[in-house]
Amino acid sequence: NAGVTQTPKFRVLKTGQSMTLLCAQDMNHEYMYWYRQDPGMGLRLIHYSVGEGTTAKGEVPDGYNVSRLKKQNFLLGLESAAPSQTSVYFCASITDRGDSGANVLTFGAGSRLTVL
Amino acid sequence: RKEVEQDPGPFNVPEGATVAFNCTYSNSASQSFFWYRQDCRKEPKLLMSVYSSGNEDGRFTAQLNRASQYISLLIRDSKLSDSATYLCVVNSGSGYALNFGKGTSLLVTP
Repeated sequence: NAGVTQTPKFRVLKTGQSMTLLCAQDMNHEYMYWYRQDPGMGLRLIHYSVGEGTTAKGEVPDGYNVSRLKKQNFLLGLESAAPSQTSVYFCASITDRGDSGANVLTFGAGSRLTVL
Repeated sequence: RKEVEQDPGPFNVPEGATVAFNCTYSNSASQSFFWYRQDCRKEPKLLMSVYSSGNEDGRFTAQLNRASQYISLLIRDSKLSDSATYLCVVNSGSGYALNFGKGTSLLVTP
């Protein structure tokens, strides 16, 4: 049981290049999220998905696209990378959004992206 | 005003000290509350959920004050290994997004 796996872990891009980050979870979670984390900014939600075939915008969606073709995978795409997208990207998933207080986000190990 | 606010610190405390962090939230309809721990260059991991009645896990105690809209985390007998950033997380109940504070940095020194 690997939990949440992100690939790649590190990537350096040139401005204007495109790339896709892959998030895979083996816990049969319905909800998946992409966050970015920058110094002094905390975690900010880029996009999220509440189930296979669905996606929605978060707090900072501009410059990113996502797809959830399979329940276990949530892809984050950068069509034309910009230096402002240099960040650490975290994927997370959760199974239930009831208010029991017992629902826990499981994070991937992060993907460090540098755009030159 | 951000939905979830934390003092960024850093809090520098000696081993064995007791330290407390507060986190305030703006949405009175918030339903679920959590403390996550994040080590340097690692992913956040759940430390503990925060229940209305308060809860304790070993040296860690979490409290919720709905009237004043804050949650707290108390760490007793601090260990060097407690050095990390502590993230306050609140489910505002609107949509599917959890709201994260920016984190409070704790450094426990020998």
